[in-house]
Amino acid sequence: AQKVTQAQTEISVVEKEDVTLDCVYETRDTTYYLFWYKQPPSGELVFLIRRNSFDEQNEISGRYSWNFQKSTSSFNFTITASQVVDSAVYFCALTSTGANSKLTFGKGITLSVRP
Amino acid sequence: DAGVIQSPRHEVTEMGQEVTLRCKPISGHNSLFWYRQTMMRGLELLIYFNNNVPIDDSGMPEDRFSAKMPNASFSTLKIQPSEPRDSAVYFCASSLVRGSYEQYFGPGTRLTVT
Repeated sequence: AQKVTQAQTEISVVEKEDVTLDCVYETRDTTYYLFWYKQPPSGELVFLIRRNSFDEQNEISGRYSWNFQKSTSSFNFTITASQVVDSAVYFCALTSTGANSKLTFGKGITLSVRP
Repeated sequence: DAGVIQSPRHEVTEMGQEVTLRCKPISGHNSLFWYRQTMMRGLELLIYFNNNVPIDDSGMPEDRFSAKMPNASFSTLKIQPSEPRDSAVYFCASSLVRGSYEQYFGPGTRLTVT
């Protein structure tokens, strides 16, 4: 069985602070994909990034960066110099590969960035 | 390209009424997923289809819920009869079966059953 744990439920920071959202996963598969989604107050779920299990390179996109470590089964997300617009719920998700794959979501982390 | 389209965006209905939610997946995607999101239970997968065939409906709460996908570009989620506890945001998502696996979500339908 697959499992995604986002132990932090709510985080509050002041604008311009850096913040890291933690994600720990469990799977027996050797090939899998990890994802982060953002759900802003408007409600839609926005895909942010995909990482496959064979690629442990860190990814940076503007103020966003992701750290994937298979040794600790973690896929953490860091926002540098946070902004109010980063306030949202962030979900980490996991899927195996194959015809009947489906996403397993964590419970989400509510990030509040105060001006 | 258009994303996943859902209609209606908001639905308010009375208990006992039939509710039909609609979804048009991204063209070319062959997997479709229906989710429900509430404060209490978070994001739950209700059912998903591959190539229009239902694969896993274990998340459908009870017989009052049914879903169909008559063709590759359309799916419905029906609740009959609706109950107040069905109030939630219902999301539809689509993806490629053998591709990059990320799911793209529609804007959701906010259902309120009074």
